[in-house]
Amino acid sequence: EAGVTQFPSHSVIEKGQTVTLRCDPISGHDNLYWYRRVMGKEIKFLLHFVKESKQDESGMPNNRFLAERTGGTYSTLKVQPAELEDSGVYFCASSQGINQPQHFGDGTRLSIL
Amino acid sequence: RKEVEQDPGPFNVPEGATVAFNCTYSNSASQSFFWYRQDCRKEPKLLMSVYSSGNEDGRFTAQLNRASQYISLLIRDSKLSDSATYLCVVRIAGGTSYGKLTFGQGTILTVHP
Repeated sequence: EAGVTQFPSHSVIEKGQTVTLRCDPISGHDNLYWYRRVMGKEIKFLLHFVKESKQDESGMPNNRFLAERTGGTYSTLKVQPAELEDSGVYFCASSQGINQPQHFGDGTRLSIL
Repeated sequence: RKEVEQDPGPFNVPEGATVAFNCTYSNSASQSFFWYRQDCRKEPKLLMSVYSSGNEDGRFTAQLNRASQYISLLIRDSKLSDSATYLCVVRIAGGTSYGKLTFGQGTILTVHP
C-alpha cells in the first residue's frame, strides 16, 4: 500500500511568488490534514478535509493560503503571494476514519527568499 | 502557554540505558494522546497511543495522568536506532476540531555506543 505522498519535496521561491503543494493521501482515506512546522517551532495544524469538504480550517494563517480537495482525492495547498514567514516544512496526513491514526507524508520543505 | 509542553532535551544516553520523557497538556478537553517519533528530515510516525491505564509495547511504556494532565514515555534498554525526536501529541474531544492533532515541540534523544 502506497503511503501519503507529497510533491514537491523541496521548493525554493522568491517572496511574492506563488507556490502550490500537492498531497496524495492513502487510497480510501476520507480524512486529509495539512500541518506546518516553521523553524524552531512545533508542528501546527492548518486544516482538515473530510472527502472534499473542509471540516476545520481554524489553523489557516491568513487568506494567502488556499487549500482544495476537488473530488475528495488529492489535495493542493496554494500560497499566494508567498512571504518570508511562510518558510517551513508542510506536512500532509491522512486517516481512514477521524478516530484512526494519521499517517504523514515526508513533507514539502518550502523556502521563501 | 503552549498547549503541549515537552522538555526539548537533548537527552544523550548510552546504549542499554533507560530514559523517560515527560509531557504536559493544558486543554482539559484533550481526549486522545499519542507519542510520535520523527527521524531527522522525515515524517512523524506514530509510535504508540497512550491509554488511561497505561500501556506497553515492547521496550516502550506510556503513562497518562488525566488529573495532572501529564503524559510520559519510558524507553528501556535503549538502542542506537531509538535516536530520534519524540513528539507528544494530543487531540481534543468532539466538535469540528476533533481531527486536529496538537503537537509538542519534541524531545531529542541521542543514543550513543
